[in-house]
Amino acid sequence: GAVVSQHPSWVICKSGTSVKIECRSLDFQATTMFWYRQFPKQSLMLMATSNEGSKATYEQGVEKDKFLINHASLTLSTLTVTSAHPEDSSFYICSALTGTGDHEQYFGPGTRLTVT
Amino acid sequence: LAKTTQPISMDSYEGQEVNITCSHNNIATNDYITWYQQFPSQGPRFIIQGYKTKVTNEVASLFIPADRKSSTLSLPRVSLSDTAVYYCLVGKRRALTFGSGTRLQVQP
Repeated sequence: GAVVSQHPSWVICKSGTSVKIECRSLDFQATTMFWYRQFPKQSLMLMATSNEGSKATYEQGVEKDKFLINHASLTLSTLTVTSAHPEDSSFYICSALTGTGDHEQYFGPGTRLTVT
Repeated sequence: LAKTTQPISMDSYEGQEVNITCSHNNIATNDYITWYQQFPSQGPRFIIQGYKTKVTNEVASLFIPADRKSSTLSLPRVSLSDTAVYYCLVGKRRALTFGSGTRLQVQP
């Protein structure tokens, strides 16, 4: 089956620094990837849609200059949290769509970000 | 985007069958219905997907009535390891809107 990985699985950074999270489709090409954020005891909330070779589309309320998304290849999308603050601490999850007519989204294992 | 409504939580005992119903009154003609399972600090895991009638795989069954305005996920003989949050989503090859999900607690 299709596998999506994320790196790192967890990261701790200091307030004001930037951190990059990678999302990779390991055995398929992903034309579209999605980034979600999940706070404790809450559901996943879509942050942005990432299409290979084009600019990401951000959901309302998500600052595009703070959450930089790059989808430079068909197997890699990155999310960079710039000038992180403690309120950015969350569980970040990516998902990917295959290039076929498959309707299923494949989710990564998530990245736990803690900003101190 | 079609909105889904599920029970917030359910309790069951090991060995019982669990049925979780989801309503999606505004489902579009091309939308598929997909159920995911999520354990704490993990990404959602695909359980089953269907368009209409009944779909069965090795872990669950999905029942979809003719009007497709609801669906029921059936988990046969649950075990403690089935304790998780279950999400019902509708859509087709686009970003998914996650509802609150159903928190299933399986007791011994």
